[in-house]
Amino acid sequence: GAVVSQHPSWVICKSGTSVKIECRSLDFQATTMFWYRQFPKQSLMLMATSNEGSKATYEQGVEKDKFLINHASLTLSTLTVTSAHPEDSSFYICSARDFLAGIGRETQYFGPGTRLLVL
Amino acid sequence: QKEVEQNSGPLSVPEGAIASLNCTYSDRGSQSFFWYRQYSGKSPELIMSIYSNGDKEDGRFTAQLNKASQYVSLLIRDSQPSDSATYLCAVKAWEYGNKLVFGAGTILRVKS
Repeated sequence: GAVVSQHPSWVICKSGTSVKIECRSLDFQATTMFWYRQFPKQSLMLMATSNEGSKATYEQGVEKDKFLINHASLTLSTLTVTSAHPEDSSFYICSARDFLAGIGRETQYFGPGTRLLVL
Repeated sequence: QKEVEQNSGPLSVPEGAIASLNCTYSDRGSQSFFWYRQYSGKSPELIMSIYSNGDKEDGRFTAQLNKASQYVSLLIRDSQPSDSATYLCAVKAWEYGNKLVFGAGTILRVKS
C-alpha cells in the first residue's frame, strides 16, 4: 500500500522558535497534500491544501503567515510553524493524495503524524 | 445539518460479534467514500474505499453504500479487541472542493 512518512515524529521547542515538519510520499506521486491538526479527543481539522508547484490554500481561520507550506516536489511537502507558542502544541498530520489512482478514485493516505510541544 | 454525520458512540460489542458503523452525508453529489480507523494517539489508517452502490468486501470488513438514502456503513465481522478504535467516515465531493470531509468518528469498543 501507499506509504506516507513524516519527520520528525515528535518535537519539543521553546516558545518563539520555528519548527519545520516534512511530509513525503514514498512510493507514489502526490500532486496534492493536505495538512491537518488534531487536538486531544477532537476531530481532524484541515488546515491547508498543498499543491505541487503552487501556493497552498488555507482553510478559514488558519494564518498562512504562521503556518508556511511548501510543496516543492511531487513527493515532498513541508509545514513550518513560525514563532510557535504553547497553543500551537498539537498533533500535526499530513495526508497525500495518489493522483494516479484515477479520476474520482484518488485516495488519501495519512502520514504517522508529528507531535509538537511548545514550552 | 453537518455534512458528514456519525454516531459518536461508544459502540460496544462482544468479541466475535459483528460491529455495524453508520454514516450519513448531506451532499447528493458525493462521489467517493472512505472509512479510516484511528487508534488513540495515532494517525488515521485507510480501511476501505467505496465508489458505487452496493457492498464491497475486504477480509472481515464490508462497506455498504446507498446513494439514494445518502448513507454508507462499515461492517466488521468477527470483531476483535484490536478493532477497538475510532472509525472515521470521509466523503469527497466536488461541492467540498474535492476535499475529504470527515465525520467526527465513532468510537468502537470490542470487549473480550
